[in-house]
Amino acid sequence: QKEVEQDPGPLSVPEGAIVSLNCTYSNSAFQYFMWYRQYSRKGPELLMYTYSSGNKEDGRFTAQVDKSSKYISLFIRDSQPSDSATYLCAMSADDFGNEKLTFGTGTRLTIIP
Amino acid sequence: DAGVTQSPTHLIKTRGQQVTLRCSPKSGHDTVSWYQQALGQEPQFIFQYYEEEERQRGNFPDRFSGHQFPNYSSELNVNALLLGDSALYLCASSFGLGYNEQFFGPGTRLTVL
Repeated sequence: QKEVEQDPGPLSVPEGAIVSLNCTYSNSAFQYFMWYRQYSRKGPELLMYTYSSGNKEDGRFTAQVDKSSKYISLFIRDSQPSDSATYLCAMSADDFGNEKLTFGTGTRLTIIP
Repeated sequence: DAGVTQSPTHLIKTRGQQVTLRCSPKSGHDTVSWYQQALGQEPQFIFQYYEEEERQRGNFPDRFSGHQFPNYSSELNVNALLLGDSALYLCASSFGLGYNEQFFGPGTRLTVL
C-alpha cells in the first residue's frame, strides 16, 4: 500500500464551480504538506505549502490539513479553464535531513467552459 | 528572478548508453533534489544534494549518480540505460535543510530506445 493515496480522477466540473481535491496518508511522521499543479509534460508548480495542521488560503486556493485524520484537501473557488491540469499532493517528514517529497498519484482536473 | 532551469529539454538515447542531465537551482537556493516521473505516474525521489554531498537517496540503483558543484548547480548521471529509464527527470531546489518548500524545473524528457 502506498504511503499517500489520491483519487486519480479524472474529475470534470463546470467553470465557476468549487473543486475539492483530497489525499490521505499513512505515515504519521509527515509534517509538511504541499499541493502542486502540473500541466501536461511540464514540471510541477508549487501552489500551496502548509506545515502541520490547519488551513491556509491564497487567492482562490485553500489548503486544509487534518493530521488527526491523516487527510489533506485543496479547494479551488471560482474554477477557471486555466485550472485544468493534474494536481499532485506531496508530503515530507519533520526529520532533519529527510526532506524528500512523497507524492500522491495526482488527480486530473478538467474545467469545462 | 530565474527559477529552476534544466538542460537539455529532450534527449534520446539507446540502451546501454550513459546520460548526463543538468540543473541550476532557483536563485538563493542551495539544495537540489532529483525526481523521476514515468509517464502517467507521480514523481519518485532519486536523491538530494547539499553542500556538494549526497544527503539522502531513494530506492534507485547505483547506475544513478549525481554531483553538486560549488555554485549549487547539479548533474544527474545514469549509466547503462534501460528502456525503463525513459521518463521525465525533474530537478527541485530549496533553501537549507529541514525546510521543504521545493520548486521544480521544467524537467528533461529522456527517451531510451
